[in-house]
Amino acid sequence: DIQMTQSPSSLSASVGDRVTITCRASQSISGYLNWYQHKPGKAPKLLIYAASNLESGVPSRFSGSGSGTDFTLTISSLQPEDFATYYCQQIYSTPWTFGQGTKVEIK
Amino acid sequence: QVQLQESGPGLVKPSQTLSLTCTVSGASISSGSYYWSWIRQPAGKGLEWIGRIYTSGSTNYNPSLKSRVTISLDTSKNQFSLRLSSVTATDTAVYYCARDRLTMVGGVDTFAFDIWGQGTMVTVSS
Repeated sequence: DIQMTQSPSSLSASVGDRVTITCRASQSISGYLNWYQHKPGKAPKLLIYAASNLESGVPSRFSGSGSGTDFTLTISSLQPEDFATYYCQQIYSTPWTFGQGTKVEIK
Repeated sequence: QVQLQESGPGLVKPSQTLSLTCTVSGASISSGSYYWSWIRQPAGKGLEWIGRIYTSGSTNYNPSLKSRVTISLDTSKNQFSLRLSSVTATDTAVYYCARDRLTMVGGVDTFAFDIWGQGTMVTVSS
């Protein structure tokens, strides 16, 4: 299985901050990476697919980049509704696997 | 607007079989380039993909669960289902169903879970 490692595991930030979350794959996965946002009690939400493609309806403050083994999710200006846990997921080969999550908390 | 809703028992006894159903509304489960997946999340842990089924009936399972998992499709009811046999306490989790969308990006096929159910908590306990 391809192991996905996110960093940091959690972070504290203020509204308006620029936030960057990193995801590293245990082997090259080209651009086969997705990002999700998950709030407690809610369904996870697709933000970015294929590393850098913004899902329809997702605010443009979210962006993704990277290829190979190293990927980044950036929130350009953190909003109150962005406090959540974020997961990366590889779709290079089954079984699909996720990172352990990055919890974004209010400072 | 496509929606998914999980249903099934919230409590299952050890060694028994966990059975969940996902009802799809707003679209036919047979149409489009979609697979239909099950994912779970134990309390305080990350997400684990269990497996998926295509409209043809073909399946892919996580090898870690393959010997115990069956995913099936009922197109007449617009539903797909999960059966997980011989459960133990480690199978206690929130179970999600999700649509696994096939998209072509830059000439290459890629997948993403674009629609999820709200999730249902299943506890394995006697």
